[in-house]
Amino acid sequence: DAKTTQPNSMESNEEEPVHLPCNHSTISGTDYIHWYRQLPSQGPEYVIHGLTSNVNNRMASLAIAEDRKSSTLILHRATLRDAAVYYCILRDVITSGSRLTFGEGTQLTVNP
Amino acid sequence: DSGVTQTPKHLITATGQRVTLRCSPRSGDLSVYWYQQSLDQGLQFLIQYYNGEERAKGNILERFSAQQFPDLHSELNLSSLELGDSALYFCASSVGGQGNQPQHFGDGTRLSIL
Repeated sequence: DAKTTQPNSMESNEEEPVHLPCNHSTISGTDYIHWYRQLPSQGPEYVIHGLTSNVNNRMASLAIAEDRKSSTLILHRATLRDAAVYYCILRDVITSGSRLTFGEGTQLTVNP
Repeated sequence: DSGVTQTPKHLITATGQRVTLRCSPRSGDLSVYWYQQSLDQGLQFLIQYYNGEERAKGNILERFSAQQFPDLHSELNLSSLELGDSALYFCASSVGGQGNQPQHFGDGTRLSIL
């Protein structure tokens, strides 16, 4: 699986936007970019995914660079509940099927 | 609430013992996945079942086995337990067996080996 690089930790203030970066310079044409998050004492939670175009859903937005070598997860207004570990994952469904390969992720702290 | 139910929430046992972890997937989901999360290894994929059949295997030890039953619930059996098996075990489910469908995770079973 192609590798992703994320900062170990980031901090934000409540009600401000948060931009969580992910680098994936070895991404292949069939890799989808997925984001999951894990709140304390809970299982991972699906956030969003995309291939080439930017994506929006009720939780977040995903901005994908034109060369697809990086992406950014955007939380428009952070709340205390958004404090979690955020995982950026590449999924090549042709070679790796449906498994998720988690890295270290980014620990997001949200300050009141 | 993801709709995925895992039981028990906590399990404490001794080395050498055998335990069974249970997972009920979301209604309508045919695929079940098992993951292990430990402090030193992070979140690791163990095994996937789709509609009763094994679909993919990851870093699953030979002492571990799993199955998916006709009602689609799944069980993960861990035997000859060692101290290093202490971890959080998560079950996830998705609609299909392949592709980009999101996986929905349960809240896990915390296994402690004394």
